[in-house]
Amino acid sequence: DAGVTQSPTHLIKTRGQQVTLRCSPKSGHDTVSWYQQALGQGPQFIFQYYEEEERQRGNFPDRFSGHQFPNYSSELNVNALLLGDSALYLCASSLWGRLGWGTEAFFGQGTRLTVV
Amino acid sequence: AQKITQTQPGMFVQEKEAVTLDCTYDTSDPSYGLFWYKQPSSGEMIFLIYQGSYDQQNATEGRYSLNFQKARKSANLVISASQLGDSAMYFCAMTPFTGTASKLTFGTGTRLQVTL
Repeated sequence: DAGVTQSPTHLIKTRGQQVTLRCSPKSGHDTVSWYQQALGQGPQFIFQYYEEEERQRGNFPDRFSGHQFPNYSSELNVNALLLGDSALYLCASSLWGRLGWGTEAFFGQGTRLTVV
Repeated sequence: AQKITQTQPGMFVQEKEAVTLDCTYDTSDPSYGLFWYKQPSSGEMIFLIYQGSYDQQNATEGRYSLNFQKARKSANLVISASQLGDSAMYFCAMTPFTGTASKLTFGTGTRLQVTL
């Protein structure tokens, strides 16, 4: 049973560029959430997708956008990259309506983005 | 809004000893779930243990137990018989029970180092 997979694992981009990160959820999960983890900090919620729609959004600018596909996989897009966007980006999958009701979110290994 | 506070940036413990990692939380939600995740240097967040706010008993999972004191709004993680492989970052997190899939709010983490 494959867990959550993310690609790529590492990425280096230049300021002003655009980047796309990808995530495949755990088999059987239908909800994908994205988190940004700056160095030395805890993960911060970016947004969440279910049924191909953004359902919740954290305090992130519109430069951060996403998409969910019919097979539940998801992409995170960041436009006009800033140095401050350098971070570990984590994807988490869960079952819609079940997180916390005795069920947990499963995380991928993350994509480490460096903006230079 | 929810907030998680982890006041121990770093902890040391000798192999085979027990260690307690502190977590306090703040929320106005009447029902919520509390989680602990382990993050090794590889980056992946590994689920350890879950406690529902409505649970009367403290959760246990193998060598992990959660000391839940609702009145004090604390959810400390106890690791018994520490092993060298326990060296990692540990994050406390919570989610409200909103009836739909929700987001996780994380603390800043505690770095645990297990020594011989």
